[in-house]
This record gives sequence, C-alpha cells and structure tokens, in this order.
Amino acid sequence: DIRMTQSPPSLSASVGDRVTITCRASHNISPYLNWYHQRPGKAPTVLIYGASELQNGVPSRFSGSVSGADFILTITNLQPDDFGTYYCQSSFESPFTFGPGTTVDIK
Amino acid sequence: VLLLQSGAEVKKPGASVKVSCQTSGYEFTNYFIHWVRQAPGQGPEWLGWVSPINGDTKYTQRVGGRVAMTRDTSTATAYLELNGLRSDDTAVYYCGRVISLAAPGGGYYYYIDVWGKGTAVTVSS
Repeated sequence: DIRMTQSPPSLSASVGDRVTITCRASHNISPYLNWYHQRPGKAPTVLIYGASELQNGVPSRFSGSVSGADFILTITNLQPDDFGTYYCQSSFESPFTFGPGTTVDIK
Repeated sequence: VLLLQSGAEVKKPGASVKVSCQTSGYEFTNYFIHWVRQAPGQGPEWLGWVSPINGDTKYTQRVGGRVAMTRDTSTATAYLELNGLRSDDTAVYYCGRVISLAAPGGGYYYYIDVWGKGTAVTVSS
C-alpha cells in the first residue's frame, strides 16, 4: 500500500499570510493526489484534485503543484475561514490512503 | 445533492453495526460511493468503495474480512456493515459520492465531492 506523509504537522499563521503544506507518497502517484480541508466536527471538503486542479467553487487562493516527489498545497492571502486541518489523499489505486494531516491555526 | 446517514450507534465488542447512506439529488447509479472513517483525534481512514451499478466492492485490508458494503438501487441507499467490532473501530463513519474524471494521458481522477455528515459508532463494553 502507498504511504503518505505530510509536513509540517501543524503551523500558525496570520491572516493575509502565504502558507505551504507538503505531501509526499511512498511511490510515484503523480498526478493522482487530492487535497481536503476539514474543520472540527465537520466532514472534509475537497480543494484540489489531480494534484493541481481546483475544485469548482473553491477560492482561487488555494493552489496545488508538484515539485519532484513533493505535492504542495499553497494558500495565499490566508483567511480566518481557512483554519482547520488539511489532508492529502492518494487516488492512484486502492486503498486511497490519506496523509496524517497538517493543522493550520490562525494567529 | 444530499447524503443522509443514519444515527449514532453504541455497540459492545464483538457486535455488528450497519450504517446507511441515503442519497438524493442525483442519479445514484452514476457515482461510486466511498466509505471513510475517522477515529477521535485521528486523520481519515479510507475503508473501501461500492459500485452502485453492480454492487462490486473493494475494501482496505485492515477491515477487509469484517466489512461488507452494499447498495439498494431502489432506494438510492448505500450501506456499510462492520462485524466483530473492537474498541479501535470507534470512529465517525462517512459515506461520500465519488467523482471520476478522465485524466490527461490516461487514468482517472477520483475524489469525494459530497460527503455525508457522518455516523458516530462507539464500541464499548
């Protein structure tokens, strides 16, 4: 099975900041990588699929990219609504493993 | 589009639980359903999928021998049944509608675009 790692495990940032979160898979899965956002007590919501495709209705301050073996989620102009935990997920093959998450705290 | 899940359950170790996911607002047979669970304080764990067309399934090995995912096309409802419950099965269980998009160069993108609100399952003696 594919294993997913994320860094950092948590971060604290201010409104308006640019934030980057990195995800790496144990095997080459590019570009079959999704990003989700989850607020406490709620189901996740998809932000990015196919490593860099923005889901309909998701603000353009979210973007996904690939750099070598790393998948990167970038949030520009961080907003108060963006607090919560971000998860990557491999969609290369079953099982569609999630990463351990990165918790974003708004200063 | 709505995925309405059944209510919270409390079960004893060794028992079984069946969670339902009633869908509406779209053509049920056009989208696979994935099941995901999330233990308290943990990240999501993907459990498997069920095809709405023919009932084919794929499970993660971690629960493969104890889980059954089924569907009823007449009521547009998917089901997750987990047997031999253990304390580490305590989690919120989510169903999700899966988008399948052809990717450039071959292959498909799969992702959950609509989630149920989750069903809390507590396993405790």
